[in-house]
Amino acid sequence: QKEVEQNSGPLSVPEGAIASLNCTYSDRGSQSFFWYRQYSGKSPELIMFIYSNGDKEDGRFTAQLNKASQYVSLLIRDSQPSDSATYLCAAHHNAGNMLTFGGGTRLMVKP
Amino acid sequence: DVKVTQSSRYLVKRTGEKVFLECVQDMDHENMFWYRQDPGLGLRLIYFSYDVKMKEKGDIPEGYSVSREKKERFSLILESASTNQTSMYLCASSQSYRLDGEQFFGPGTRLTVL
Repeated sequence: QKEVEQNSGPLSVPEGAIASLNCTYSDRGSQSFFWYRQYSGKSPELIMFIYSNGDKEDGRFTAQLNKASQYVSLLIRDSQPSDSATYLCAAHHNAGNMLTFGGGTRLMVKP
Repeated sequence: DVKVTQSSRYLVKRTGEKVFLECVQDMDHENMFWYRQDPGLGLRLIYFSYDVKMKEKGDIPEGYSVSREKKERFSLILESASTNQTSMYLCASSQSYRLDGEQFFGPGTRLTVL
C-alpha cells in the first residue's frame, strides 16, 4: 500500500511568520512530489512540484525533498491570511502515472 | 489555460438510482482520473484511464464503473447509488508519463444520496 502521511492540523501561524508543512511517504519508488492548495469548497490547485533532493523555491514557497528520509516539506514565508487553506501533498508513481494524496494539513494564518 | 469541467456542481439522488457524472478536458491529455474526497480521508482514487476505452481500478472502485469513449471525456457511473456514496467527486486530467505530471482538477460535484 503506497501511503502519504500528513498531520491534519490545524496548523495556526501568525501573519508574516513562516508556515512549515510536512509530509512523509512510504513508497521509495515515488519519484516526484506535488503540493496542492485547496480552499474550502474548491478543487485543488498546484503550488509546486519537486523531484530532486534539496530545496526548490518559487516566490514565497519552498519545497524540500529528502529521499533518504522519505520526507517532503513545504515552507511558506511571510504567511498571509489568504494562505489559509488545506495543503495536500502527493507522490507520483510512474507505474500507472498516478498520484497518491495525503489527507492534507489545514493551515490557518491569523492576522 | 487547461480546463477540466464537470457536468454538475451539486447533485441530489435517491438510493438505488443510477448516477452519471461527466468530466471533459480540453488539453488533449491522455490520463483522466476520478477521485472522491471525504473529510478526514483525503482524496481517494476511484478509477483512472490512460487512453480511450482503457480503464484501471484505483483504491476504491467498488460500486462504481467508468466509461471513456472519447479522449476528452471520462464518465463515472454509480450503478445503484447508496447513501455511503454521498461525497465530493473530483475529476482530474494529466499528460502521460512525465515526472512533472501535474493533475488538473475540475470544480467538483457534490453528490448527496438520500
